[in-house]
Amino acid sequence: DAGVIQSPRHEVTEMGQEVTLRCKPISGHDYLFWYRQTMMRGLELLIYFNNNVPIDDSGMPEDRFSAKMPNASFSTLKIQPSEPRDSAVYFCASSAADRGNEKLFFGSGTQLSVL
Amino acid sequence: GEDVEQSLFLSVREGDSSVINCTYTDSSSTYLYWYKQEPGAGLQLLTYIFSNMDMKQDQRLTVLLNKKDKHLSLRIADTQTGDSAIYFCAESTLTGGGNKLTFGTGTQLKVEL
Repeated sequence: DAGVIQSPRHEVTEMGQEVTLRCKPISGHDYLFWYRQTMMRGLELLIYFNNNVPIDDSGMPEDRFSAKMPNASFSTLKIQPSEPRDSAVYFCASSAADRGNEKLFFGSGTQLSVL
Repeated sequence: GEDVEQSLFLSVREGDSSVINCTYTDSSSTYLYWYKQEPGAGLQLLTYIFSNMDMKQDQRLTVLLNKKDKHLSLRIADTQTGDSAIYFCAESTLTGGGNKLTFGTGTQLKVEL
């Protein structure tokens, strides 16, 4: 298995532009998570899905952030409009339900820079 | 609430043992985890421990859990330069939608020759 695949690896954009981050989870995994990592806040959970359904989006910072999972093999995280404070590394992770044991597999992340 | 704390830095010499510590707050956590993050990469699961255990050994890694004090530690024996990375502990907490992980701030381990 190729693992969790994220694209792009790096994104540089200007303030106000729309940004879309993409994720392909590991086949067979029924949970998908979006995390954001910054020096100031560390690793923050933004949203997670179970069987393509959003379960907890309480970590999504503002209405400018939205996430979708149209099918079991694809998810997007969209920021519209983007702001400089959104600059961070965004990770996607997936896991298989295992009686409460959340063994997450992470992608390599998308480094986002908003100028 | 959920809060997982770690010291920010640890420096050791190659061949020595490293001990990375973590404190957590949710006494109902069922599993606790250690993840490793190398530069430019995502987090990689190293090991985990079920909350009814107090120790788990996996090759060079030893996890100790003190549930009374809510303290978790990771010991790396014979530390190598390839062990240089950021190490995150995480606790699994039950929410309305299922279990979710709360990560610590991470400990930067530097291994010197």
